[in-house]
Amino acid sequence: EAGVAQSPRYKIIEKRQSVAFWCNPISGHATLYWYQQILGQGPKLLIQFQNNGVVDDSQLPKDRFSAERLKGVDSTLKIQPAKLEDSAVYLCASSSRQGVNTEAFFGQGTRLTVV
Amino acid sequence: AQSVTQLGSHVSVSEGALVLLRCNYSSSVPPYLFWYVQYPNQGLQLLLKYTTGATLVKGINGFEAEFKKSETSFHLTKPSAHMSDAAEYFCAVSGRGGGSYIPTFGRGTSLIVHP
Repeated sequence: EAGVAQSPRYKIIEKRQSVAFWCNPISGHATLYWYQQILGQGPKLLIQFQNNGVVDDSQLPKDRFSAERLKGVDSTLKIQPAKLEDSAVYLCASSSRQGVNTEAFFGQGTRLTVV
Repeated sequence: AQSVTQLGSHVSVSEGALVLLRCNYSSSVPPYLFWYVQYPNQGLQLLLKYTTGATLVKGINGFEAEFKKSETSFHLTKPSAHMSDAAEYFCAVSGRGGGSYIPTFGRGTSLIVHP
């Protein structure tokens, strides 16, 4: 079975520019997560979707970050405008359902560098 | 709220030696506990998880972890390190009952294996 696909793999932008990341979860997975992983730290959840509805976005900086999951499949995460501190790896993950012991499958991530 | 503390940002072992990566958790509800591995430029992969039942959990690649409630620990071990084990390892916790079911990750421990 195909894994979680993310693109692009790498992105370099200047501060105050905009950027968008794309994620295609494993087929049939209803739950989708976006994580931010800053160098030297563990992943931090930004937003969780169940189908096309938002379950948790409490840690999403909503003044500059936005995410959507139209039709409950693919998802995009956007940053506008970017700041230097947004430099990180953005990981997308999906799982077959919500639940504490449901395994999340991760994509390879998008490494963002803001200069 | 749940959290995990991983003791030691780097652990260095010789090939064939015992691997011990430490994780202590804090949770107001009975926890679910996870260990993930991240190879360079890759996403996270689940090594093992503790949900209920047997406190000694066996995972992939010869790793195992033991849930010790009295010590609030979930240390990861492997009897004999292999060069291919060199990677970043993350402990994560999520809560049962009224706690959040979204995994909270530790800062990670980098495992270095010397020939």
